[in-house]
Amino acid sequence: DQQVKQNSPSLSVQEGRISILNCDYTNSMFDYFLWYKKYPAEGPTFLISISSIKDKNEDGRFTVFLNKSAKHLSLHIVPSQPGDSAVYFCAASEKGRGKLIFGQGTELSVKP
Amino acid sequence: KAGVTQTPRYLIKTRGQQVTLSCSPISGHRSVSWYQQTPGQGLQFLFEYFSETQRNKGNFPGRFSGRQFSNSRSEMNVSTLELGDSALYLCASSEGSLNTEAFFGQGTRLTVV
Repeated sequence: DQQVKQNSPSLSVQEGRISILNCDYTNSMFDYFLWYKKYPAEGPTFLISISSIKDKNEDGRFTVFLNKSAKHLSLHIVPSQPGDSAVYFCAASEKGRGKLIFGQGTELSVKP
Repeated sequence: KAGVTQTPRYLIKTRGQQVTLSCSPISGHRSVSWYQQTPGQGLQFLFEYFSETQRNKGNFPGRFSGRQFSNSRSEMNVSTLELGDSALYLCASSEGSLNTEAFFGQGTRLTVV
């Protein structure tokens, strides 16, 4: 029972364009969502988060959108840079519970 | 501020042995969580400790256990190792209050042969 799903295993984008990574969830009790970036053999690096009381959060080139009715969130990276190439994980948690449920990840490749 | 430190980085063990992994959280963080990453299962939650008490537990067998010390450092133990326990084990620390970001260490790569 996968509660957090990233249906695209990979995404390729041209440098300077927008990268859009998508994530769907099934558990309506989730109220906090996070995006992490990960390189092989390293731990995930926190990028950006959003609470369920918001529908958008922005930090520099990264924006996360949350659509609660559709149980869908997305990460926008504008403009994309070659250094953004990595695996991106979305994660969700329930209020009061300190565990994160991760999606399977999307490998982003930004081509110069 | 130093990040999350995990030791050792790499470990090779034989089936049937037991192993202990260590995690030092970011200074001031009281919550430590452990995750297992495998190619087939992705990142899966093992357990979370807060103020020396296990606060959450994932769906792993009892061979996987952990503890947290008064200085918030945490250890994870796996007994009677199986080949399928080969994975990257990640520790994450957070302040411990609701809805705060978790910061991960570099992980310990465990290989069971």
